[in-house]
Amino acid sequence: NAGVTQTPKFRILKIGQSMTLQCTQDMNHNYMYWYRQDPGMGLKLIYYSVGAGITDKGEVPNGYNVSRSTTEDFPLRLELAAPSQTSVYFCASSSERLVSGNTIYFGEGSWLTVV
Amino acid sequence: GESVGLHLPTLSVQEGDNSIINCAYSNSASDYFIWYKQESGKGPQFIIDIRSNMDKRQGQRVTVLLNKTVKHLSLQIAATQPGDSAVYFCAETRTGRRALTFGSGTRLQVQP
Repeated sequence: NAGVTQTPKFRILKIGQSMTLQCTQDMNHNYMYWYRQDPGMGLKLIYYSVGAGITDKGEVPNGYNVSRSTTEDFPLRLELAAPSQTSVYFCASSSERLVSGNTIYFGEGSWLTVV
Repeated sequence: GESVGLHLPTLSVQEGDNSIINCAYSNSASDYFIWYKQESGKGPQFIIDIRSNMDKRQGQRVTVLLNKTVKHLSLQIAATQPGDSAVYFCAETRTGRRALTFGSGTRLQVQP
């Protein structure tokens, strides 16, 4: 089972560049999430989606955009990369609202450095 | 505002000892808590969860205790092994929310 797949795993961006982090899941989950994790910190929610065509902001949405055209895919776009966006990005999915921890699946992370 | 925090950033224990990792939360409306383990270079892995109508829940070698009076929960790992070395996060949510709030994590180091 592939689970939650993120690409790329590592990327270096220059300030002002744009890029898209890809996330796909093959579990037919309705809920998908993007988190960022700064060094030595916990995960902070950027955006989430409860189904195709529906997205909503999390705690730290500024500088990012998302779309959810299909159930499987939830790409995260950085339009004008800034050093403050240097972080590890985790995509996650769940079959339902987060009331059961063992139904949440995380990807392995995407390491992004903005220089 | 709400927050989920941890008392100690790093915990070092001897192999075979029991480990206790603590977490404080500030929102009394939180009603569901999860502990995650994160190994280097990987995403968080679910360990155990507990709902606010419970005080204690046990899994395999792990126990979570919830004290709602002081808004505190802990993760106990019995007979800690080298493979338990990782960063441990608590996370919380509450009915009506659609995502988790994570604490800042505790690094557990197991000494041989």
